[in-house]
Amino acid sequence: GAGVSQSPRYKVAKRGQDVALRCDPISGHVSLFWYQQALGQGPEFLTYFQNEAQLDKSGLPSDRFFAERPEGSVSTLKIQRTQQEDSAVYLCASSFEKNTEAFFGQGTRLTVV
Amino acid sequence: GDSVTQMEGPVTLSEEAFLTINCTYTATGYPSLFWYVQYPGEGLQLLLKATKADDKGSNKGFEATYRKETTSFHLEKGSVQVSDSAVYFCALSDRGGGATNKLIFGTGTLLAVQP
Repeated sequence: GAGVSQSPRYKVAKRGQDVALRCDPISGHVSLFWYQQALGQGPEFLTYFQNEAQLDKSGLPSDRFFAERPEGSVSTLKIQRTQQEDSAVYLCASSFEKNTEAFFGQGTRLTVV
Repeated sequence: GDSVTQMEGPVTLSEEAFLTINCTYTATGYPSLFWYVQYPGEGLQLLLKATKADDKGSNKGFEATYRKETTSFHLEKGSVQVSDSAVYFCALSDRGGGATNKLIFGTGTLLAVQP
């Protein structure tokens, strides 16, 4: 596709439910990032992939958060046993390589009720 | 750790007014600096960037100068339009820091331009 695609756009989960958020980066982009954006705040870094390798997961807030990119293309961010504080917009970004412009998807808005 | 501080909004201006959105940063290395814009219903878009001290980034009439001595990267536009209404984020990236090259964002500033 022409840009970074994320699905679903909106997700409502009951507290305790597991969710999976999908990111389709721009074809050929090596680097992939996940960010979490709470209401009224700027995006905060969660994790980074270079191809299929997860090189930095320092921003993941707890062990309930897990991300993967098994074939170096599509990535999935999984949140287990969701809590209300997980409610946020989850943004995915990709770039051709390190130190090049990152292109962002429109995000998935997760609401935990 | 590295951080970005930008002025709180909302900023409300009349069309053709002069815009300044202040941004200052704290970083241990030599970061690249960015302004991203988020129009209603759309994803974040890179507006402009500067990679070293005294560089000026510019795009769509917006400009910002990387000031190392004041650790600032203020966004300016001489004459705003209604179509500039959006949320603006200042961000930095530590070019030298390991493999990640992640972005650190400010909290965003909502700009509302009235006709």
